[in-house]
Amino acid sequence: SQQGEEDPQALSIQEGENATMNCSYKTSINNLQWYRQNSGRGLVHLILIRSNEREKHSGRLRVTLDTSKKSSSLLITASRAADTASYFCATASALNTGTASKLTFGTGTRLQVTL
Amino acid sequence: KAGVTQTPRYLIKTRGQQVTLSCSPISGHRSVSWYQQTPGQGLQFLFEYFSETQRNKGNFPGRFSGRQFSNSRSEMNVSTLELGDSALYLCASVPLAGVGNEQFFGPGTRLTVL
Repeated sequence: SQQGEEDPQALSIQEGENATMNCSYKTSINNLQWYRQNSGRGLVHLILIRSNEREKHSGRLRVTLDTSKKSSSLLITASRAADTASYFCATASALNTGTASKLTFGTGTRLQVTL
Repeated sequence: KAGVTQTPRYLIKTRGQQVTLSCSPISGHRSVSWYQQTPGQGLQFLFEYFSETQRNKGNFPGRFSGRQFSNSRSEMNVSTLELGDSALYLCASVPLAGVGNEQFFGPGTRLTVL
């Protein structure tokens, strides 16, 4: 089963607007990652934030992490039509010591950016 | 560097058959993980291989198995296919051992079970 939930499930905005997606998770984490998926294709890594970080930026992306609330948000500023995709948060559990790669994904947010 | 490759990209099988999917990680990556994506269950972890050893396994029945070869290429096998096995199967490779590094995903294999 999914560890986390994302909201909204779907988001429709116009080009130039900002898009904010939220992710909640259930267990202690080592880090949280955001991925993007275009139309049922492979996932593309966007950004990783570690449990001891509160905010991280990468280009037009801003991620925040609140471990006390077990939640994260992804902000995409000045959205473009090319940002249309599904966005997933994924957590690496703090219990997975020695295990490199198990990620637990959220339910995803479908973002539609219109011209 | 070439990305993660998965073959075949599309596959149609009937119930009861078995299927083998292949994943070649990025050169130099030694860890490969497999995920199943369905509309109902979302993205779920299947298993992870590192240096030919399974290090972690998700909550899937024994019909799902995998292996990794000495060149880090990995295969997963699903026996006695069921309709519910229809999904996008994604493989990911990781450059470094250690918890929670960025993963590089392949394009996936779309399996349809009729």
